[in-house]
Amino acid sequence: DAKTTQPTSMDCAEGRAANLPCNHSTISGNEYVYWYRQIHSQGPQYIIHGLKNNETNEMASLIITEDRKSSTLILPHATLRDTAVYYCIVRVGGSYGKLTFGQGTILTVHP
Amino acid sequence: SAVISQKPSRDICQRGTSLTIQCQVDSQVTMMFWYRQQPGQSLTLIATANQGSEATYESGFVIDKFPISRPNLTFSTLTVSNMSPEDSSIYLCSVEGYRVAHEQFFGPGTRLTVL
Repeated sequence: DAKTTQPTSMDCAEGRAANLPCNHSTISGNEYVYWYRQIHSQGPQYIIHGLKNNETNEMASLIITEDRKSSTLILPHATLRDTAVYYCIVRVGGSYGKLTFGQGTILTVHP
Repeated sequence: SAVISQKPSRDICQRGTSLTIQCQVDSQVTMMFWYRQQPGQSLTLIATANQGSEATYESGFVIDKFPISRPNLTFSTLTVSNMSPEDSSIYLCSVEGYRVAHEQFFGPGTRLTVL
């Protein structure tokens, strides 16, 4: 699976959009971008995934650049409960098995 | 979505002893995964457990240290054997979901402290 690079930490004001970048410049054509988050003292939680098109669900939006070398997770209206570590993971589509977690981005949402 | 429970939620153990962690899922799943999260670190996969076959271990993890059982499609155990303080970690099990292709659901984790 391709390696990802994320900023170590980010801050966001409550109610504002949180934009979390991820670089995956070595991504292959059959690899998807997944986002998970881990709130303190809990197991990771799936957020969203995509291949090349932008995706949106009830939790977030995922914007993938045209060359697929980077992506941005958008939390449109961040709340204090969104404070967590956010992991960007690249994995081959259609494959079952392990998720390779990097260090992720610590997002702190402040009042 | 899958609901996963783990027992115990936390434990404090003495060096040289063993602890068995249980993972129960509310639906039948083919693959179950065991991860370790050391203090301040990210998650690392220990092994993949399929029902009816031997677990597959990742590099750096061995069956003698982390024996795994998978007796049926809803249950698995991970044993941490002959523990040392370096084994102090959070141990999490996860399963592959079906609502979204290849989404994984994680249990709440077992926080282990070895003295």
